[in-house]
Amino acid sequence: QSVLTQPPSVSGAPGQRVTISCLGSSSNIGTVYDVHWYQQLPGTAPKLLIYANTNRPSGVPDRFSASKSGTSASLAITGLQPEDEADYYCQSYDSSLSASVFGGGTKLTVL
Amino acid sequence: QVQLVESGGGLVKPGGSLRLSCAASGFSFSDYYMGWIRQAPGKGLEWLSYISGSGDIVHYADSVMGRFTISRDNAKNSLYLQMNSLRAEDTAVYYCARVVTVTTYRFDPWGQGTLVTVSS
Repeated sequence: QSVLTQPPSVSGAPGQRVTISCLGSSSNIGTVYDVHWYQQLPGTAPKLLIYANTNRPSGVPDRFSASKSGTSASLAITGLQPEDEADYYCQSYDSSLSASVFGGGTKLTVL
Repeated sequence: QVQLVESGGGLVKPGGSLRLSCAASGFSFSDYYMGWIRQAPGKGLEWLSYISGSGDIVHYADSVMGRFTISRDNAKNSLYLQMNSLRAEDTAVYYCARVVTVTTYRFDPWGQGTLVTVSS
């Protein structure tokens, strides 16, 4: 049971837009802590995709965007491409656990 | 470029020990916190531990506290994870990652991971 809740799977056709939610609580996302997002392509290590709620590291296409509001965050991917098929994880910090915490991950399938 | 390479994984019996290593290059190692994260087969990511640049501050997840010890050797640009009293549920790919401590800690980049299998 992950502290941050993500849908297990989402899907979309090439060119479409999908969103992935990340639900937290008042001890993590709902306070001062930022949310980060990682992309894990099949058989590879996770890679930072979005940091501090809305920021893209250099090299990440602007098709990827994210936001945070209240106790939740979301990742949006527009203009879906086959190479976007991957697992996506949100991450924050939980003050009750004094620990970095991850969402359970969401598998994106590009139909 | 920044590179992290883990080693030391393998098959170990329940109750046994294993020491993982992570060789870092391409950045000023001693300036950064470093961390370990694992991923059980087919499962999500679990943060385990991080250590400050000087090594004097360490934090652990409850699931490994008292069994795992994180350490580093800045002269060798290396990070370690000593794992004792291993259990079947510790079977996972173990990743080391550089920790960016600006605002909420984040992990960037990650190594390629090393597989630890705990089985009799």
